[in-house]
Amino acid sequence: RKEVEQDPGPFNVPEGATVAFNCTYSNSASQSFFWYRQDCRKEPKLLMSVYSSGNEDGRFTAQLNRASQYISLLIRDSKLSDSATYLCVVFSSGSARQLTFGSGTQLTVLP
Amino acid sequence: DAEITQSPRHKITETGRQVTLACHQTWNHNNMFWYRQDLGHGLRLIHYSYGVQDTNKGEVSDGYSVSRSNTEDLPLTLESAASSQTSVYFCASSDVPGTNSPLHFGNGTRLTVT
Repeated sequence: RKEVEQDPGPFNVPEGATVAFNCTYSNSASQSFFWYRQDCRKEPKLLMSVYSSGNEDGRFTAQLNRASQYISLLIRDSKLSDSATYLCVVFSSGSARQLTFGSGTQLTVLP
Repeated sequence: DAEITQSPRHKITETGRQVTLACHQTWNHNNMFWYRQDLGHGLRLIHYSYGVQDTNKGEVSDGYSVSRSNTEDLPLTLESAASSQTSVYFCASSDVPGTNSPLHFGNGTRLTVT
């Protein structure tokens, strides 16, 4: 089983739609969680951190469920510019491998 | 502005050759990382360094080596390139891993081993 698993998609949604991605992780001792965004053939960039109480940044909401070991990303009112691959990232301080990346979920927002 | 740069952007080499990919950052970060990205696998950690003279193996370190002689640079060497090492390579640096301090990535090196 992979340490971090994501539904690869692709998710094709119309502009204005709400879309949600989930990501599961296997290490119950994982400490920190992030969502990164990667545009086609470019480097990943931090989108937002994920806090236990859930957090929001504009149209983006991230949530963490430690009991079920998953994190989620909700995008409201999707824009064409949201089209990208969204990477779930988990940090476990006990692991020599530090940050572990999911394979990514591809989102295409259609006009 | 601080940045992290990789070179070359594209490289084609033959099986068995030694190849070095450069990574240079001006963030003054102690932590630097090399990842490879392949379809279906996401980003996988090759090697990482927490400071000068410190290097550590990551998940997929076989066939690769790094050295850290200064804060700014972490070159990645493929000792004897293999076709399985055809990939996109990303270098990254960060302040404190696992915190809100983001990983800053270079724009990648696309390596093809023929």
